[in-house]
Amino acid sequence: QVQLVQSGAEVKKPGASVKVSCKASGYTFTSYGISWVRQAPGQGLEWMGWISPYNGKTNFAQNFQGRVTMTTDTSTSTAYMDLRSLTSDDTAVYYCARDKSSLWGGNWFDPWGQGTLVTVSS
Amino acid sequence: QSALTQPASVSGSPGQSITISCTGTSSDVGGYNSVSWYQQHPGKAPKLMIYDVSDRPSGVSNRFSGSKSGDTASLTISGLQAEDEADYYCSSYTNRVLFGGGTKLTVL
Repeated sequence: QVQLVQSGAEVKKPGASVKVSCKASGYTFTSYGISWVRQAPGQGLEWMGWISPYNGKTNFAQNFQGRVTMTTDTSTSTAYMDLRSLTSDDTAVYYCARDKSSLWGGNWFDPWGQGTLVTVSS
Repeated sequence: QSALTQPASVSGSPGQSITISCTGTSSDVGGYNSVSWYQQHPGKAPKLMIYDVSDRPSGVSNRFSGSKSGDTASLTISGLQAEDEADYYCSSYTNRVLFGGGTKLTVL
């Protein structure tokens, strides 16, 4: 079955960076995109951006431009999201999700990874 | 403040039907057939329920349906069941993805 498995919880200090991984299985990795969405405690969903494992193209939400990097490793069907200059406002659960399109993104997402809690605290 | 506007909460009794609205603008919801809906139970990842306004993924109950009129999209759940109690988020996708603030559905 199609599955996305994310890396474990992280605790970071303000100003640091965090890198979250997302390993895909059960489908052809390069045929779909990967989007990243985060959810602060008790809050709603916020789309961060999309990457195409097919050609490496990215599309970032304006709020994260210049502070996020998204990459993929097609040899291991794994996507990565790197977020820099962390503040307490970045404390959230970070989700990867399979995006409908490998050519332009984001779109709709199915399925989602289990989520990775990133806590930013001094 | 979210880009798309949803009611904070709705409720209904088992067997009843409820509708959750999602209001945007002509630049997002109103301009394209690019609206999706997600269900999220506490502590769980979101699950896709509707995409492209009214299409249902395989495995999603036909009790869930989507529609759109002008700048407002709607999710209707018929024959409410206890398991439907969850948070629901709408999303619009054009060259960027916008989410609504979420609606908490309570099954009385």
